[in-house]
Amino acid sequence: GQNIDQPTEMTATEGAIVQINCTYQTSGFNGLFWYQQHAGEAPTFLSYNVLDGLEEKGRFSSFLSRSKGYSYLLLKELQMKDSASYLCAVSGYSTLTFGKGTMLLVSP
Amino acid sequence: GAVVSQHPSRVICKSGTSVKIECRSLDFQATTMFWYRQFPKQSLMLMATSNEGSKATYEQGVEKDKFLINHASLTLSTLTVTSAHPEDSSFYICSARVTGGARNEQFFGPGTRLTVL
Repeated sequence: GQNIDQPTEMTATEGAIVQINCTYQTSGFNGLFWYQQHAGEAPTFLSYNVLDGLEEKGRFSSFLSRSKGYSYLLLKELQMKDSASYLCAVSGYSTLTFGKGTMLLVSP
Repeated sequence: GAVVSQHPSRVICKSGTSVKIECRSLDFQATTMFWYRQFPKQSLMLMATSNEGSKATYEQGVEKDKFLINHASLTLSTLTVTSAHPEDSSFYICSARVTGGARNEQFFGPGTRLTVL
């Protein structure tokens, strides 16, 4: 089985940097995903890590350490529209298991 | 990225009726699609894995006779909620996996909001 932990809520101010952590325990690992989900909408893909290290994509970066079962999503230059739930998801051999999501509130 | 569509986006039905939700991969073929359910302020919970040309694989606690899944082609999977009850009201989301080479991505449909009265 898989167990995924991430903080329930975080707050930050516009223009700041925020790091959302995710730890996981899994019986099979085939990559880790981060998704953004606005209320009432389906998740949208942000990043995919399968090897250790940092993947940078614009204002968003994602880091993975397989030995530690740890990942983080780094959001820079926060904007109000970044207020959303951020889901960490671990891919097993055939399925994707989601964490409960971190609700990020960006304030002016 | 790949596009997954879902229809309808919103449905309201009476208790006891059946509702069919379609999930289509528009620009790629998906041998495997996934159906998720999400209750308010909760994460996505995998209901079943839909395999083209074979029976779906259901997660523990999901009634296969209540949630009928058909994956008749490489671009279409359907979820039918039979004899719907108010507790089935939820946000249903499908996704399709794109694999090959370095790719291993899962793209989501826009979701279907089901309200059972």
